[in-house]
Amino acid sequence: SYELTQPLSVSVVLGQTARITCGVNNIGGKNVHWYQQKPGQAPVLVIYKDTNRPSGIPERFSGSNSGNTATLTITRAQAGDEADYYCQVWGSGTYVFGTGTKVTVL
Amino acid sequence: EVQLVQSGAEVKKPGESLKISCKGSEYSFANYWIAWVRQMPGKGLEWMGMIFYGDSDTRYSPSFQGQITISADKSINTAYLQWNNLKASDTAIYYCARGSSGWGFDPWGQGTLVTVSS
Repeated sequence: SYELTQPLSVSVVLGQTARITCGVNNIGGKNVHWYQQKPGQAPVLVIYKDTNRPSGIPERFSGSNSGNTATLTITRAQAGDEADYYCQVWGSGTYVFGTGTKVTVL
Repeated sequence: EVQLVQSGAEVKKPGESLKISCKGSEYSFANYWIAWVRQMPGKGLEWMGMIFYGDSDTRYSPSFQGQITISADKSINTAYLQWNNLKASDTAIYYCARGSSGWGFDPWGQGTLVTVSS
């Protein structure tokens, strides 16, 4: 199997833009999904198939995927965006989650 | 609104057996996978395996193959995760989630805390 590498933490100033990366060789050839998990809560899907937002997810959340890196972007960051974020892919007959990124809004 | 409701917290001793459940409401699981995900204390998410309701096709992560059993009862829209020989290292929160090929996991159950301690 393989590991999806994410930064351990990302800090963003209130109202600014946060970018969370997820890396592995040729991730651009896979569908990437992103989850938000707040303390004490179950994960929530925020982006599916690289760029798509489920119903109810704000437009401030967007995704991209190319080459060896997928990126989740949070624009106009709010205090309520503080959470752990995980990427996920399907490959070689298994689902793999990224290592997780803690986003702090300053 | 689609919901997955999981069974309550469990406290077990090493070597004991356990079966936890995940029940779906308001829709049929027939065309979906139900996945199980482990989250150990203070750690990240780990995919354990999944079952396809339509034909009970079951897939396991190599990390969990042989350690767990995933099953389902279509008649009551319920999926199960089972252990026959619990270890202290099985202490974790276990989530179920609905999946569809290529579409990610949505929604998730509320999680079941399993504590294994002598």
